[in-house]
Amino acid sequence: NAGVTQTPKFQVLKTGQSMTLQCAQDMNHEYMSWYRQDPGMGLRLIHYSVGAGITDQGEVPNGYNVSRSTTEDFPLRLLSAAPSQTSVYFCASTHLTTDTQYFGPGTRLTVL
Amino acid sequence: KQEVTQIPAALSVPEGENLVLNCSFTDSAIYNLQWFRQDPGKGLTSLLLIQSSQREQTSGRLNASLDKSSGRSTLYIAASQPGDSATYLCAVCADDYKLSFGAGTTVTVRA
Repeated sequence: NAGVTQTPKFQVLKTGQSMTLQCAQDMNHEYMSWYRQDPGMGLRLIHYSVGAGITDQGEVPNGYNVSRSTTEDFPLRLLSAAPSQTSVYFCASTHLTTDTQYFGPGTRLTVL
Repeated sequence: KQEVTQIPAALSVPEGENLVLNCSFTDSAIYNLQWFRQDPGKGLTSLLLIQSSQREQTSGRLNASLDKSSGRSTLYIAASQPGDSATYLCAVCADDYKLSFGAGTTVTVRA
């Protein structure tokens, strides 16, 4: 199993550009989520999904959209990038009977 | 809103010393608590998961305790090694699977 994969690893955007961060898992986990990690702060939840076709907002959802058309994939879309969105983004998945959350390697995003 | 605090923010110890990392949280209505390890530039690796009904979990040199009523968890790492150098994150899980993270404790084990 590849686990949780994220692409790209690094990305530089200009203010106002849009892009999609990809996340995929091959463990057939129902629950997937996106976090951002900023220096000196804990990870903060952006959006999450409990299954295909179901998404909901986390703590810091503004400026981001998600969709879940399949169990495997959970892309995060930045609609109009802002410097405040410079961060490291992590995708995670968990099987709802084991509770352990598995994290991807992260995407380091810089918005100029 | 759940607040999770980890003290100290950084810790440096000589090899062989036992490590004690602290985590406190404000809302005791939790589903479980997890400890993660993060190496520089990498993702998070789950170390231990303690369900709300449990008092501790052990894996090798790692032992984590949970006192839900006082809102505290402690991660013990016995006989530390340079390979234990990393940032350790505590995360509290609500029953909707949302995690609230502390800012982490960065550990350096000196050879």
